[in-house]
Amino acid sequence: GAVVSQHPSRVICKSGTSVKIECRSLDFQATTMFWYRQFPKQSLMLMATSNEGSKATYEQGVEKDKFLINHASLTLSTLTVTSAHPEDSSFYICSALDSPIHEQYFGPGTRLTVT
Amino acid sequence: GQNIDQPTEMTATEGAIVQINCTYQTSGFNGLFWYQQHAGEAPTFLSYNVLDGLEEKGRFSSFLSRSKGYSYLLLKELQMKDSASYLCAVRDLINAGNMLTFGGGTRLMVKP
Repeated sequence: GAVVSQHPSRVICKSGTSVKIECRSLDFQATTMFWYRQFPKQSLMLMATSNEGSKATYEQGVEKDKFLINHASLTLSTLTVTSAHPEDSSFYICSALDSPIHEQYFGPGTRLTVT
Repeated sequence: GQNIDQPTEMTATEGAIVQINCTYQTSGFNGLFWYQQHAGEAPTFLSYNVLDGLEEKGRFSSFLSRSKGYSYLLLKELQMKDSASYLCAVRDLINAGNMLTFGGGTRLMVKP
């Protein structure tokens, strides 16, 4: 099956710093990628939809200036958490849409801890 | 929007059968997915239903009734490693641009 990678898998940063998370589709091109956030014992919450070559679409309540998304190529989307705070500590998961077959493949997730 | 409901927690015994239900409301139904998620890991795909009926895959089966907005995931011969969260997700073509919307997940605990 298709593979989606994320990097890093875990990151610890200090409050006020920025963190970039990469999401790559390894064996297919993804014009659309999704970024989810998951807090402990909760389900996945969609943050934004990333479209290659255009601006991301953010869900209600998600600050676009804080969570910067760049989808510069058909295989790479990045999420940058700017000026991170402890409440941003969460599990961030990306998924990539394999458009021809309409299947969504998940990356392994990134555990962010802000101290 | 979509409403997707599933029980929050379930407990079952090793070797038994458990059924996890999911009900949904959507305008442009375009498929229902079940995912398994172990703590600290990303979801992994279990099953996909777009037509009514039962899809069987080894110990796992998934059923869909579009007229009732209802699905269930059936796990047979439970093993301890089946302890995980099970996420029901619906794809909505009209309201959500064909992307997935997830239910709250059902945490299944398998006991010896």
